[in-house]
Amino acid sequence: AAGVIQSPRHLIKEKRETATLKCYPIPRHDTVYWYQQGPGQDPQFLISFYEKMQSDKGSIPDRFSAQQFSDYHSELNMSSLELGDSALYFCASSLYGGNTIYFGEGSWLTVV
Amino acid sequence: DAKTTQPTSMDCAEGRAANLPCNHSTISGNEYVYWYRQIHSQGPQYIIHGLKNNETNEMASLIITEDRKSSTLILPHATLRDTAVYYCIVRGISSGSARQLTFGSGTQLTVLP
Repeated sequence: AAGVIQSPRHLIKEKRETATLKCYPIPRHDTVYWYQQGPGQDPQFLISFYEKMQSDKGSIPDRFSAQQFSDYHSELNMSSLELGDSALYFCASSLYGGNTIYFGEGSWLTVV
Repeated sequence: DAKTTQPTSMDCAEGRAANLPCNHSTISGNEYVYWYRQIHSQGPQYIIHGLKNNETNEMASLIITEDRKSSTLILPHATLRDTAVYYCIVRGISSGSARQLTFGSGTQLTVLP
């Protein structure tokens, strides 16, 4: 079965640069979630979208923004990158109000 | 969403049942109990969820106490590949609401050969 697809899987950026992560949800899933997991940390919720509208907002820094497009894919834009932004970023998807959320394999961001 | 409490770590012998407890004493009526696991640096994997009845699927069984204040995830025959961090998460679901999952600290399960 098709899963949540994230790209790129690995990304290296320098401080103060910008990075964009992409997420392609499971077909027919209309809700997307973004999580950040720092080294040795548990996943932290950043933001979610339903039907291109922001649904919930967590601990997403002001330097980050995200959007969901008409084909339901989502992009997480991160600007003015800091060393502390180095983390594994997960995207997840579900049907709106659905019982199960499925996660992608994550995108590794390293800021040097 | 209600807070959950899990042991930090547990060991289990390969081939034996792994029983992972979770306390969620402040759970409310419309909140489900979910279990996910995360094998090192992979995406969290859905295992099972339930509201008040016990549930079983091909991966595990979920036993929820009658008062719903605690639950146990059972992996009936643990293998080395079950070594992972297991997260017990309480999530509210209602019409018109698509709540995210809030991860706590989880239990590091180590299956020993």
